[in-house]
Amino acid sequence: KQEVTQIPAALSVPEGENLVLNCSFTDSAIYNLQWFRQDPGKGLTSLLLIQSSQREQTSGRLNASLDKSSGRSTLYIAASQPGDSATYLCAVIANTGNQFYFGTGTSLTVIP
Amino acid sequence: EPEVTQTPSHQVTQMGQEVILRCVPISNHLYFYWYRQILGQKVEFLVSFYNNEISEKSEIFDDQFSVERPDGSNFTLKIRSTKLEDSAMYFCASSRGSYNSPLHFGNGTRLTVT
Repeated sequence: KQEVTQIPAALSVPEGENLVLNCSFTDSAIYNLQWFRQDPGKGLTSLLLIQSSQREQTSGRLNASLDKSSGRSTLYIAASQPGDSATYLCAVIANTGNQFYFGTGTSLTVIP
Repeated sequence: EPEVTQTPSHQVTQMGQEVILRCVPISNHLYFYWYRQILGQKVEFLVSFYNNEISEKSEIFDDQFSVERPDGSNFTLKIRSTKLEDSAMYFCASSRGSYNSPLHFGNGTRLTVT
């Protein structure tokens, strides 16, 4: 069964810093990987989706990379802002089905 | 921007009662999902639905659960004979395609079973 792990569980940085969130998964047979943001009491907002054939995706200050063979993905956030404070989740979809497997998330706090 | 809407936002029910959680997916999406998140735990897949039938379900989704798309817009999750351990946030999601389209989530229904 696919297991998704995110490190660190929590991260606190001063505003303006660049930061990297890590995601690892045990089974490399995936269709894609998606990064989400979750604000307290809210649903999940899709940030970036990387197809299994891609190496990275960019959206604004966010850049996500995927190394499928090693079972790793990173989410890079440039010039962090207090509004980036949230929990960031990664999820992978296996190529044997259509369910996403989620990590436990990284809780990010950006200090003004 | 179109979004997935869920009602109610919070549902309190007594153990043994039945609840129906409602969702309106994005209108041009074809795939619909229910996920749940027990407090402090991972988001877990329950079921996916396509072409008016279940396409995949997890071991959590046993006979206590059922899904329905009663009309062209609503997608419901019914939980029969609720248990304390059913307390969780239930998220509905939809996507345009199955594998290569991003998932769009609703804000969730917080179910509390007392």
